[in-house]
Amino acid sequence: SQWGEENLQALSIQEGEDVTMNCSYKTYTTVVQWYRQKSGKGPAQLILIRSNEREKRSGRLRATLDTSSQSSSLSITGTLATDTAVYFCASMSNYNVLYFGSGTKLTVEP
Amino acid sequence: DTTVKQNPRYKLARVGKPVNLICSQTMNHDTMYWYQKKPNQAPKLLLFYYDKILNREADTFEKFQSSRPNNSFCSLYIGSAGLEYSAMYLCASSRTGGVFAETLYFGSGTRLTVL
Repeated sequence: SQWGEENLQALSIQEGEDVTMNCSYKTYTTVVQWYRQKSGKGPAQLILIRSNEREKRSGRLRATLDTSSQSSSLSITGTLATDTAVYFCASMSNYNVLYFGSGTKLTVEP
Repeated sequence: DTTVKQNPRYKLARVGKPVNLICSQTMNHDTMYWYQKKPNQAPKLLLFYYDKILNREADTFEKFQSSRPNNSFCSLYIGSAGLEYSAMYLCASSRTGGVFAETLYFGSGTRLTVL
């Protein structure tokens, strides 16, 4: 079943700070993705991490994956005001179907 | 061009009336999805088309219908709207196989308000 019914967490930080957002997924998956949704836009993929990777980096982003606890984290270093958005993790089923997990509403104050 | 387009951007509907939302993509993706997103919640998968095969989630099976007349277009149909259908509806597409097979490309959504 999906787990989209959980409310978003809210996080507010100052520009320049680092932030880490956590999520957990409930079903077996080999791929965890992080998506960002800005106001008025649809979600856009940020980073994808596979079950055989413990860590993945892309620019200021770093994702980790712990399959034993079925959890993932996304860290952003040196945040900018433009990083203000909602961040979701998502797991992908065997049939290329994406299920979203918990999300974090991040506000970066300039 | 990785654009998924949704029309209309905003839609008002009356309780008990039908609603039809439209989505299109020009990337020749074989899979198209519909998600429902309510405020402060994560998007929830409603259904998806893999080529011409429709797959609907068990808990929304009877509430939503869809059609895909060709590869580029997909619609989401609500036969009788209720207040609980008020939400943002997101369409997405993806291509199976290849380097970016797991990436979904989303449209900007249609905000449906049922009165």
